Amino acid sequence: GENVEQHPSTLSVQEGDSAVIKCTYSDSASNYFPWYKQELGKGPQLIIDIRSNVGEKKDQRIAVTLNKTAKHFSLHITETQPEDSAVYFCAASREAGTALIFGKGTTLSVSS
Amino acid sequence: DVKVTQSSRYLVKRTGEKVFLECVQDMDHENMFWYRQDPGLGLRLIYFSYDVKMKEKGDIPEGYSVSREKKERFSLILESASTNQTSMYLCASTLGLAEYNEQFFGPGTRLTVL
Repeated sequence: GENVEQHPSTLSVQEGDSAVIKCTYSDSASNYFPWYKQELGKGPQLIIDIRSNVGEKKDQRIAVTLNKTAKHFSLHITETQPEDSAVYFCAASREAGTALIFGKGTTLSVSS
Repeated sequence: DVKVTQSSRYLVKRTGEKVFLECVQDMDHENMFWYRQDPGLGLRLIYFSYDVKMKEKGDIPEGYSVSREKKERFSLILESASTNQTSMYLCASTLGLAEYNEQFFGPGTRLTVL
């Protein structure tokens, strides 16, 4: 079945630095790739997503890139702030709105 | 604002008990999902439903069942709870249309089976 690998499992950066989280997927039919942020004691919340017909998408300090040939996609956070500290999950599915397969998560710590 | 609510934040049950976890969404969403979250394993899909009275197995359905009698409510049932089902359980819903695809999550239920 579909498998999503996520690296690194933990990431520590200084405030103002950039953070990059990478994911690879196995199902070549996947075409929807969301990223979720989970703060302590809360459910995951969507922060950005990308479809297979787009190579890059930006939303302020957050960007996602997709390489369909290599079957990997990445989350980039620039000018990190302490409130970016959370667990981040990548996910993939064949169709938006359907069941997602999640990576194992990355715990991001931003120190001031 | 979409709201997904789960019946309990914390639950403690004994081995062998039948356990019901309830999830309700208030935005008329078609699709609903149950995941469990364990440290180092991420979120794993247990069951999902794309319509009332419809259910599909996810990646780890063993030991669980679900019920969707009404569109807004999706229940996860542990027929006979075991200690290896101690986990965080997350419910999610989505409209089901390609252009409105965000999955909204509830706050989770932390279940401990003794």
